[in-house]
Amino acid sequence: DGGITQSPKYLFRKEGQNVTLSCEQNLNHDAMYWYRQDPGQGLRLIYYSQIVNDFQKGDIAEGYSVSREKKESFPLTVTSAQKNPTAFYLCASRGDSGGNTIYFGEGSWLTVV
Amino acid sequence: AQKVTQAQTEISVVEKEDVTLDCVYETRDTTYYLFWYKQPPSGELVFLIRRNSFDEQNEISGRYSWNFQKSTSSFNFTITASQVVDSAVYFCALNSGGYQKVTFGTGTKLQVIP
Repeated sequence: DGGITQSPKYLFRKEGQNVTLSCEQNLNHDAMYWYRQDPGQGLRLIYYSQIVNDFQKGDIAEGYSVSREKKESFPLTVTSAQKNPTAFYLCASRGDSGGNTIYFGEGSWLTVV
Repeated sequence: AQKVTQAQTEISVVEKEDVTLDCVYETRDTTYYLFWYKQPPSGELVFLIRRNSFDEQNEISGRYSWNFQKSTSSFNFTITASQVVDSAVYFCALNSGGYQKVTFGTGTKLQVIP
């Protein structure tokens, strides 16, 4: 099945630890995105990538890092510098066709304990 | 800059009632795309519809319909004869300015009461 796969679905992190959220897509999309959603809130853009080996900061990039070594993969690392990392994280991708529609993965819940 | 406003934070309706979710957008670009997404309790955002700025034709898909009016910068979403399965958070989104970034509204939580 074509789509976007995020893992893990649920993740617990101790304070001071870095964690990496995986995002893989088999839609052959060039652009990929990471959004953060806090309970009862909208979506805020963390990072996005238009092409392999290139990415740009979104609105709330501090405390996060990404890489884009392969077209299908866009992992997000939540570093210890992120002061309030507990949130729901959504990965998305967009192709050149389909009118720039962004499609989302199922999301990952990160909780700091 | 681009902005999307969903003024309705939460709406409750009784099953079979019609409900309209409002979306107002701001952009200086003449070419842009508007979207609606549904987020059920499971969390995944499900794409519902896309409209480009050159197509103001309203669209109907089953119980769903969308009204796009450039004159008022609005892209409203109506659910006819609502059902419990329609309970979710609905997001309106705007993609313009080179299509690299998509701006989302804060969402409207719809609760359909049986």
